[in-house]
Amino acid sequence: GQQLNQSPQSMFIQEGEDVSMNCTSSSIFNTWLWYKQDPGEGPVLLIALYKAGELTSNGRLTAQFGITRKDSFLNISASIPSDVGIYFCAVLNYGGSQGNLIFGKGTKLSVKP
Amino acid sequence: NAGVTQTPKFRVLKTGQSMTLLCAQDMNHEYMYWYRQDPGMGLRLIHYSVGEGTTAKGEVPDGYNVSRLKKQNFLLGLESAAPSQTSVYFCASSSRGDYGYTFGSGTRLTVV
Repeated sequence: GQQLNQSPQSMFIQEGEDVSMNCTSSSIFNTWLWYKQDPGEGPVLLIALYKAGELTSNGRLTAQFGITRKDSFLNISASIPSDVGIYFCAVLNYGGSQGNLIFGKGTKLSVKP
Repeated sequence: NAGVTQTPKFRVLKTGQSMTLLCAQDMNHEYMYWYRQDPGMGLRLIHYSVGEGTTAKGEVPDGYNVSRLKKQNFLLGLESAAPSQTSVYFCASSSRGDYGYTFGSGTRLTVV
């Protein structure tokens, strides 16, 4: 099936630092999503991107849909301890054995106070 | 506002035992999904359902069976558990198969 390459796999940062992670694919997708999974919980949708080149913010989070429609970036500014968790990118891809969403393998974020 | 409820939250099984994981949603969603999450592997789709009485295989269906007898419930069965099925299992639901998945809080299963 289709794969999304998400990097980095993990990050250890100091509180207050900015964070950047990205996700790439070999195919074009028209909807890119970012989810966050808090420790011990299921993933929750953070941001949805529908248009190539689009930049969308949600508080301290900013995500961009790449102009080629093959990548997306998520930035977190001024990180705080509650940012800890796993961040997943996902794309909308109806049908197939992967269901309607294809997920990246996640970026695990740890924040040192 | 319960959303998606998974039971049990934790379980330890011996190799060869069977069990059923229950997922219940109260949002009248048509689509339901079962995923497993393993370190470094992300979320992998096991089975899914596009409506009451329907089921379909996902990426990693072997060793699992599912049933969707009622719209609000999606059951995941392990007939003969194996250590390779040690994982965290997540159920999710969505309306009309769009991206607004609502996930449960997971079931941590250990097979010894």
